[in-house]
Amino acid sequence: AQSVTQLGSHVSVSEGALVLLRCNYSSSVPPYLFWYVQYPNQGLQLLLKYTSAATLVKGINGFEAEFKKSETSFHLTKPSAHMSDAAEYFCAVYASGNTPLVFGKGTRLSVIA
Amino acid sequence: NAGVTQTPKFRILKIGQSMTLQCTQDMNHNYMYWYRQDPGMGLKLIYYSVGAGITDKGEVPNGYNVSRSTTEDFPLRLELAAPSQTSVYFCASSSSNQPQHFGDGTRLSIL
Repeated sequence: AQSVTQLGSHVSVSEGALVLLRCNYSSSVPPYLFWYVQYPNQGLQLLLKYTSAATLVKGINGFEAEFKKSETSFHLTKPSAHMSDAAEYFCAVYASGNTPLVFGKGTRLSVIA
Repeated sequence: NAGVTQTPKFRILKIGQSMTLQCTQDMNHNYMYWYRQDPGMGLKLIYYSVGAGITDKGEVPNGYNVSRSTTEDFPLRLELAAPSQTSVYFCASSSSNQPQHFGDGTRLSIL
C-alpha cells in the first residue's frame, strides 16, 4: 500500500526566501506523485505531477519538485516566496491510474512580509 | 468549461436528518471520488467509482452511501446525520493515469 508523509504541518518563510516543503512516500511500485495547493475556502488545484518522465518536475507559479527514488522523497521548492503563495499544500501518491490518490496531511505555508 | 461542480456550497443539518451532496463533471472522466477534509487531517477518501454502475468503499465509508448511474454524476448521501460528519466534502474526477480535478467543496455542519 502506498502512503505519504509531509514533514511539518506549518512552514513560515519570509517574502523572497526559499520555500521547501517536504514529502516522503511509500510505494511498492513506481509511484505517480503530485503536489496540490489549496487556497482558503477553495478546492485543490494541481501544482505539478511526476509520472516517471523526468526527475525534476516544473509546475505552475514557479514551483518545482524533484523525485529522488533513493530517498523516497518528492520535496516541493520555490526559489523566492511571494505573499500569494500562502496556502495549504498537499502531497499525494498513487501506484497506478486505477487507484485513488492517497494524500498527506498537508503543510500550511505562511509568507511573512 | 465547468469541470467538477458541487452543490450546495454550504449546508446546516440537524442530527438525524438526511441529505444528498451533488457532484457532476463535464470532462467525461470515468473515475470519481468523494473525500472529506477535517482540519489538520488532510483528505480522507469516503467512496470512489471507476465507472457508471461501479462504486467502492474508501477509508471512511461508514454513514455514507453513493451511486453512479451516469458518467457525469456521483451523489453522496448521508442518511442519519451525526455531529462527527461535520466537515468539508470534496468531489473529484479523473481519467486513467491522470491527476484528479476537484470541485470547490461543500461545507457541512451538523448541529
